[in-house]
Amino acid sequence: KAGVTQTPRYLIKTRGQQVTLSCSPISGHRSVSWYQQTPGQGLQFLFEYFSETQRNKGNFPGRFSGRQFSNSRSEMNVSTLELGDSALYLCASSPGLTTSSYEQYFGPGTRLTVT
Amino acid sequence: AQSVTQLDSHVSVSEGTPVLLRCNYSSSYSPSLFWYVQHPNKGLQLLLKYTSAATLVKGINGFEAEFKKSETSFHLTKPSAHMSDAAEYFCVVSGPRGAQKLVFGQGTRLTINP
Repeated sequence: KAGVTQTPRYLIKTRGQQVTLSCSPISGHRSVSWYQQTPGQGLQFLFEYFSETQRNKGNFPGRFSGRQFSNSRSEMNVSTLELGDSALYLCASSPGLTTSSYEQYFGPGTRLTVT
Repeated sequence: AQSVTQLDSHVSVSEGTPVLLRCNYSSSYSPSLFWYVQHPNKGLQLLLKYTSAATLVKGINGFEAEFKKSETSFHLTKPSAHMSDAAEYFCVVSGPRGAQKLVFGQGTRLTINP
């Protein structure tokens, strides 16, 4: 099976702009989670989507949003970019069933730089 | 709520010597625990997982970890380090069954000296 793919891999934006990142999960996986990785804060959970619904949410401002499509692909949007949003954004997928706790499989990430 | 503490931010060992990366966890539920590895400019790769079965868990590339409930620990070990093991390692706890939110430790950078 193909792994988790993320596009684009690298992105440079200016403060105040918005950005959309894309994630395609492993075939058959219905859960997609997003994480932000920075040197200062480490890896932090943003949100999780399952069957087109946000099921879990982390402690990030409303500028961070996401959605999931019927084919399980997910997008993450950040509006009004700030310098502190510069980070590696990682997407992870899993089967997502509530009957057990599954490991998550990560994509290579999108490196976002805000100038 | 769950949390993870990785006791060492940096570990340096010589090639061929044992590796020990220490992790303590806190969880309100019976936890699922994982170790992930991240090589430079790469995504995260799952090394191994504990999900309430055997307390000694074997993973890929010769790594293993032991779940000790009394000590709330989940230390990662490898008998003999290879140069290719140099990377960042993350101890991770997940929520109750079905919750897909992972909580990461701050990471341990492993350096292998020739």
